Amino acid sequence: AQSVTQLGSHVSVSEGALVLLRCNYSSSVPPYLFWYVQYPNQGLQLLLKYTSAATLVKGINGFEAEFKKSETSFHLTKPSAHMSDAAEYFCAVSEGGNKLVFGAGTILRVKS
Amino acid sequence: KAGVTQTPRYLIKTRGQQVTLSCSPISGHRSVSWYQQTPGQGLQFLFEYFSETQRNKGNFPGRFSGRQFSNSRSEMNVSTLELGDSALYLCASSAEAQSYEQYFGPGTRLTVT
Repeated sequence: AQSVTQLGSHVSVSEGALVLLRCNYSSSVPPYLFWYVQYPNQGLQLLLKYTSAATLVKGINGFEAEFKKSETSFHLTKPSAHMSDAAEYFCAVSEGGNKLVFGAGTILRVKS
Repeated sequence: KAGVTQTPRYLIKTRGQQVTLSCSPISGHRSVSWYQQTPGQGLQFLFEYFSETQRNKGNFPGRFSGRQFSNSRSEMNVSTLELGDSALYLCASSAEAQSYEQYFGPGTRLTVT
């Protein structure tokens, strides 16, 4: 079965600083990987997805993630944090079709 | 296009009761998936429906059931509610069964007392 581990339940960065949210996956087959963001009292919004095309994936709001098979990682980055990026971020792997297995989530705090 | 809508947004029920939650997918989408989100267990997959057929099922007891109608709208039902069923229930729709791009609704917050 596939699984996802997100390192760090809370990450705090200053506005304008680099954002790095870590995700490692376990999969017995080539994975399909995703990053979602959740703002308070809202559903999940897809930031980006990896479906075995380019290993560097660009998403919305300036986020990108790099798939590294050798490290089984799919870390999310953004060069410069904005106050509006404060939210909870989830990494997920597909376990077949639209069935997703999510990591525990990382709450991103952005300090002014 | 209108997004995924879920009704009701908030619900309070008593232990032992049953509840039905509704999800209307994005127009033209045929796949609907349901997830449960709790502080302790995180996001967990409940089931997926595509063209009125259940395609995938998560590890939940039989008290959790769902269905999909011919217009792709979906309902999930929880019978004999327990305190631990208190959660945010999220619905996601996608165009196809293997589209790998799901759009989530705002969720239904269920509180069981």
